Amino acid sequence: GQNIDQPTEMTATEGAIVQINCTYQTSGFNGLFWYQQHAGEAPTFLSYNVLDGLEEKGRFSSFLSRSKGYSYLLLKELQMKDSASYLCAVSPQTGFQKLVFGTGTRLLVSP
Amino acid sequence: EAGVTQSPTHLIKTRGQQVTLRCSPISGHTSVYWYQQALGLGLQFLLWYDEGEERNRGNFPPRFSGRQFPNYSSELNVNALELEDSALYLCASREREGRETQYFGPGTRLLVL
Repeated sequence: GQNIDQPTEMTATEGAIVQINCTYQTSGFNGLFWYQQHAGEAPTFLSYNVLDGLEEKGRFSSFLSRSKGYSYLLLKELQMKDSASYLCAVSPQTGFQKLVFGTGTRLLVSP
Repeated sequence: EAGVTQSPTHLIKTRGQQVTLRCSPISGHTSVYWYQQALGLGLQFLLWYDEGEERNRGNFPPRFSGRQFPNYSSELNVNALELEDSALYLCASREREGRETQYFGPGTRLLVL
């Protein structure tokens, strides 16, 4: 089966750092994605990890440990516009067949 | 460059009716994926089309079907609508070669009464 777990909700303050965790148990692994989704809008691509380690992209970084089935998304210097849902998704098969998503983490950034 | 587009944005139907949702991928993208996002649930994979063929299907009944046209646009059809089909239907597209990333459209919000 496929199982992806992330916290339902998190809160943080503007300017702070927040880490959103994702654990997964899937039948296979071909990469892990993070997407941001503002209410009523399309998910937008943030990051893709296929090898262990940290990928940094501006204020956002994503980490992957394949042996632990674990990833996190790190958001630095939080801004009000970062209030959104953050979706963790795994590609469980080669050949780009589909993505399996967690239920998402709703992040609320307060002043 | 234009992103993935979907139409209509919103739709209200009654139980038993049929609906068709449309998706135009990013120019140069040949794969189209459909996902259902019901309230409180994660995105659930519905269908994958590539080069006009259905390549993979999620755990949904056969009344969910679709097709992909020669210009790579796609339709999702849902027959015999049920109340639990109320959801946001998202389309995503992906480039042809070696790229894993899927890019999503704004979705069609379907309400079944």
